[in-house]
Amino acid sequence: QVQLVESGGGVVQPGRSLRLSCAASGFTFTTFAMHWVRQAPGKGLEWVAVISGDGRDKYYTDSVKGRFTISRDNSKNTLYLQMNNLRAEDTAVYYCAKDGSGYGSFEFWGQGALVTVSS
Amino acid sequence: EIVLTQSPGTLSLSPGERVTLSCRASQSVSSTFLAWYQQKPGQAPRLLIHGASTRATGIPDRFSGSGSGTDFTLTISRLEPEDFAVYYCQQYGNSPMYSFGQGTKLELK
Repeated sequence: QVQLVESGGGVVQPGRSLRLSCAASGFTFTTFAMHWVRQAPGKGLEWVAVISGDGRDKYYTDSVKGRFTISRDNSKNTLYLQMNNLRAEDTAVYYCAKDGSGYGSFEFWGQGALVTVSS
Repeated sequence: EIVLTQSPGTLSLSPGERVTLSCRASQSVSSTFLAWYQQKPGQAPRLLIHGASTRATGIPDRFSGSGSGTDFTLTISRLEPEDFAVYYCQQYGNSPMYSFGQGTKLELK
């Protein structure tokens, strides 16, 4: 069965960096685009970034462009999110999600990693 | 950017009732790219419906989706205790861009 396990969350000061990882299993990783979606405490869902199966194409929501980088290592079945110059408003649970190919949806989700940006 | 508005914000209902949740888009959305999710407290969202009306794998048939253009609905034919949760609609558009509604909370009456 599909499993997505995030790691790397924690407390970080504003302006610092953090890298999230998402280990995938139970499906052919290289075949699917992967996403990061976040949820601020008590708030709704916000899409953050997507990367194609081969890693060539990457897209971001405007608020993280130039600060966040999505990447993947298909040899390790792992998705990453490098977050630089973090701001208080980046505080959220970050979910990795498997693309629902052809439907623009998020078919499976990890359990999430909490990132808290605070001085 | 397409904005999705869900209504109502909160619904208080009892098990066994039928409920219809609304999702309205600020401009036309392709039905292929409209999805619904369920999220329970402390859990990740779960895909319920994609393509506006197709249930995801393992989703009970009491959940159904419909709609086109700017108006979409999620119907739960008979509420079970485990259905009390927050429900989000989501669309995919050009750029690419993905956006969610603000959510509708179903709470136990």
